[in-house]
Amino acid sequence: GQQLNQSPQSMFIQEGEDVSMNCTSSSIFNTWLWYKQDPGEGPVLLIALYKAGELTSNGRLTAQFGITRKDSFLNISASIPSDVGIYFCAGRSGDSGAGSYQLTFGKGTKLSVIP
Amino acid sequence: EAGVAQSPRYKIIEKRQSVAFWCNPISGHATLYWYQQILGQGPKLLIQFQNNGVVDDSQLPKDRFSAERLKGVDSTLKIQPAKLEDSAVYLCASSLGTYNEAFFGQGTRLTVV
Repeated sequence: GQQLNQSPQSMFIQEGEDVSMNCTSSSIFNTWLWYKQDPGEGPVLLIALYKAGELTSNGRLTAQFGITRKDSFLNISASIPSDVGIYFCAGRSGDSGAGSYQLTFGKGTKLSVIP
Repeated sequence: EAGVAQSPRYKIIEKRQSVAFWCNPISGHATLYWYQQILGQGPKLLIQFQNNGVVDDSQLPKDRFSAERLKGVDSTLKIQPAKLEDSAVYLCASSLGTYNEAFFGQGTRLTVV
């Protein structure tokens, strides 16, 4: 099956620092999504990317859909304590005829912010 | 707007017992998903419904897992009999349609002992 390699696995940063994480795959995806998951909660969608090369921002978050359609990165600028959590990338591919667009998740990047 | 509701939040069972999880999607969402999230991993799709029909259940262990969405709204996921490796968080998600983004519930944490 399809696999996503997400890195780094975990990171500790000082409040105010910028953060960068990425996701790579051997498969091509039509959509890249970035989610954040807090303890005891389900994942919450942060940014969705639909076209190769697309660069999208959501407040302090910026994500890009790689030109090869096999990678994506997420940047967080000026981190704050509430940025703590696990960030997941997810790639979507599928058969439009079958109506199934299966979402494949990475293993997550655990972010810790030191005040 | 109410989110995706799941129950129970936590469940502890012994191996070989049965367990069922319930999900109520966001009103009007035609597509419903069940994901399994093992500790330290990302969610893995088990089954996807479009209204009351199954669109994708290729990763559902059908010898022990079953799911239904009889009236195209609520859904239940059942495990019978449970194994130790089924310990995980079971997440339900819903979306307006197959091409729309999904919203997740809080999940049910299952521990099999």
